[in-house]
Amino acid sequence: GIQVEQSPPDLILQEGANSTLRCNFSDSVNNLQWFHQNPWGQLINLFYIPSGTKQNGRLSATTVATERYSLLYISSSQTTDSGVYFCAVVDRSNDYKLSFGAGTTVTVRA
Amino acid sequence: DTEVTQTPKHLVMGMTNKKSLKCEQHMGHRAMYWYKQKAKKPPELMFVYSYEKLSINESVPSRFSPECPNSSLLNLHLHALQPEDSALYLCASSQDNGVAQPQHFGDGTRLSIL
Repeated sequence: GIQVEQSPPDLILQEGANSTLRCNFSDSVNNLQWFHQNPWGQLINLFYIPSGTKQNGRLSATTVATERYSLLYISSSQTTDSGVYFCAVVDRSNDYKLSFGAGTTVTVRA
Repeated sequence: DTEVTQTPKHLVMGMTNKKSLKCEQHMGHRAMYWYKQKAKKPPELMFVYSYEKLSINESVPSRFSPECPNSSLLNLHLHALQPEDSALYLCASSQDNGVAQPQHFGDGTRLSIL
């Protein structure tokens, strides 16, 4: 099956800092989603971004499908940004199956 | 994603109990999913329903029994669970399961097996 690698595994930020999270995947994809799982376990959709660039407030994402990677940018980080960020993809041979990366754990300190 | 509602939020049960988890969505989605998530791990797919029919079972033990009574509801019936089944159970839905529609997740049920 498709392999999804996220980096870095852990990230500690001071409030107000900017950061970039990376997701590499091993095959062509039909779907790529970024999620934020907060400390209470809620898995929140951030972006549906199989290609191109999107922005939502302080967050933005870029997927370069031909080079098989996606980036999530967090600007002016806040303590509420803490949690685990997952990248998940659906490869072209499995329309339904969302394969998750291991996640990046982000801790934002005040 | 609060458009997918899961109940209960927490459940503690003994190994001999029978209980059910419930998931509901009113977005008109025709694909629904159950995932299991252990601590510090990503979610793992368990079942997929497409147009109210079970289309995927990821080799899940029979002590987990899914049911889709209608297009808005998805249940997961639990019986004779083991302590290692303690986890966060997440439900998701998508418009359908073709052409990779984005999945929307509920807040999960945190299950503890005594």
